Amino acid sequence: KQEVTQIPAALSVPEGENLVLNCSFTDSAIYNLQWFRQDPGKGLTSLLLIQSSQREQTSGRLNASLDKSSGRSTLYIAASQPGDSATYLCAVSGETSGSRLTFGEGTQLTVNP
Amino acid sequence: NAGVTQTPKFRVLKTGQSMTLLCAQDMNHEYMYWYRQDPGMGLRLIHYSVGEGTTAKGEVPDGYNVSRLKKQNFLLGLESAAPSQTSVYFCASSRRNRLADTQYFGPGTRLTVL
Repeated sequence: KQEVTQIPAALSVPEGENLVLNCSFTDSAIYNLQWFRQDPGKGLTSLLLIQSSQREQTSGRLNASLDKSSGRSTLYIAASQPGDSATYLCAVSGETSGSRLTFGEGTQLTVNP
Repeated sequence: NAGVTQTPKFRVLKTGQSMTLLCAQDMNHEYMYWYRQDPGMGLRLIHYSVGEGTTAKGEVPDGYNVSRLKKQNFLLGLESAAPSQTSVYFCASSRRNRLADTQYFGPGTRLTVL
């Protein structure tokens, strides 16, 4: 059974700092890995999707990397802003689960002005 | 283009009552999903559907039923609500391309069972 772990569970940083969120998964037979953002009381918004054959994806100040063989992904946020404050969730879809996603518990990020 | 919508947004039930949560998507997506989100547990898949008229069990299906009579709608039913079903419920949809397509989420339904 696929398990997804995110470290740290919570992170508080001053504005302008570069930061890294970590995600690990136990079964390397994945189709893709996705990073989502969730604001309090809201649904999830997709940030980046990395297909299993890719190593990284970038969108603006966000960069996500994937090391499938070691079962790890990182989300790098450059020059953090207070508006980046949210919970960031990592999820994987696997060869045994098709399109179904297995989620980590998330990292709650607070960026202080 | 509304994306994925869910009704109701909030609901309080008494133990043993029944209710139906409605999810609608206007993106012509084949796949639809129901998740629940609980503190310390993350999002867990309840049921999903890969097309109109089809449904399948996810990770935590007990106590729930679903129907997909129309492609754009996915209903989640609780026949006899229990306090353990207090949670935030999210619906999502996606296209058929499992390699490259993300899931689009609704805003959630916060359910409390007393």
